[in-house]
Amino acid sequence: NAGVTQTPKFQVLKTGQSMTLQCAQDMNHNSMYWYRQDPGMGLRLIYYSASEGTTDKGEVPNGYNVSRLNKREFSLRLESAAPSQTSVYFCASSRQLDTQYFGPGTRLTVL
Amino acid sequence: AQKITQTQPGMFVQEKEAVTLDCTYDTSDPSYGLFWYKQPSSGEMIFLIYQGSYDQQNATEGRYSLNFQKARKSANLVISASQLGDSAMYFCAMSFLISSGSARQLTFGSGTQLTVLP
Repeated sequence: NAGVTQTPKFQVLKTGQSMTLQCAQDMNHNSMYWYRQDPGMGLRLIYYSASEGTTDKGEVPNGYNVSRLNKREFSLRLESAAPSQTSVYFCASSRQLDTQYFGPGTRLTVL
Repeated sequence: AQKITQTQPGMFVQEKEAVTLDCTYDTSDPSYGLFWYKQPSSGEMIFLIYQGSYDQQNATEGRYSLNFQKARKSANLVISASQLGDSAMYFCAMSFLISSGSARQLTFGSGTQLTVLP
């Protein structure tokens, strides 16, 4: 039972490059979330998926897209990376309205 | 708008002593949840404890307890018998319903860095 897994753990991009962050959970949770954490700050919600087949914008969605591939997987895509997107990205999952459990994070640097 | 405030950027505690980490919140929603997460230097976010806004009793989980004072809008974390492994960043967070009410968003405070001294 791995919980929430994320790949990759680290990534360095050049400005303008694209990439997809992968997230998977094996807890049969309905809801999944993507957050970013900037230095000295708490996490901020980028996008969420309340259930399979639905996605919605969170607090800071600009520059990102998401796909809820199935109940287990929720990916985050950066189409044209910018230095302002340098951050640590966390995926989380929960049963509908319950506690959110987080993955180990992806540390992204955009040069 | 929902807001979480953690006023202690850093705290020190002696091993085996108790420590209280402060958290105040602001919301106009009647239904919300309060959480504490631990983030060690390795970076993962570890769920510690949860308190619902309608819960009458303070939540406890092992050495962790949440001192919930609704009228004061505070949700302080108390760690008893501190251990060296408790050294980490601690985040207070509040959940509230978003969009159609089918999911919750977490709003986080800026965190408190706890250092346990031997």
